[in-house]
Amino acid sequence: AQKVTQAQTEISVVEKEDVTLDCVYETRDTTYYLFWYKQPPSGELVFLIRRNSFDEQNEISGRYSWNFQKSTSSFNFTITASQVVDSAVYFCALSEDGTDSWGKLQFGAGTQVVVTP
Amino acid sequence: DGGITQSPKYLFRKEGQNVTLSCEQNLNHDAMYWYRQDPGQGLRLIYYSQIVNDFQKGDIAEGYSVSREKKESFPLTVTSAQKNPTAFYLCASSIAGGNEQFFGPGTRLTVL
Repeated sequence: AQKVTQAQTEISVVEKEDVTLDCVYETRDTTYYLFWYKQPPSGELVFLIRRNSFDEQNEISGRYSWNFQKSTSSFNFTITASQVVDSAVYFCALSEDGTDSWGKLQFGAGTQVVVTP
Repeated sequence: DGGITQSPKYLFRKEGQNVTLSCEQNLNHDAMYWYRQDPGQGLRLIYYSQIVNDFQKGDIAEGYSVSREKKESFPLTVTSAQKNPTAFYLCASSIAGGNEQFFGPGTRLTVL
């Protein structure tokens, strides 16, 4: 069963618009970790954020912000005032703390963000 | 500079041949991972290693093999038993499980 769902396949925006990427996850563990990665056209994944299941505080880093809501099992990502350099595929991922799940990242299918000038 | 290197960047293979993808890290990380990415899809875990001389199968290990003889190195062999090997392969490492993984630039394998 898919544990991380990114329902948006592609989002197209014009520069300076805000864009929100949805991520819904599924787990029975009480301790788990959520991640966002960016994959630019070069292919290399770039780590953006890690959040553990006990920390529901929202986080802001420059133009990036994250909204973690355990009640809805969501970990959404917003890019404010988008720029062309934000064009990439963004992946949400889940790591569970169980013995069989050690260290394994389960990725969503990704959301392609296209920012046009 | 600390990081993860993968070589080669592009690899072409004839059907029936084994091929080995290189992954080296100088981050002093204990854990290393191999993922496969197909077009328009997320990453799927092939193998992972928590420590030297030990590794475990991931979700799609069939047709692949690995070794972990040194902390810095985690090569992946794509064998002739892998029915559809054309894909983008990404190597990653982390301090330990549950921590953020850092990725190499990837190897794009094409079977001719």
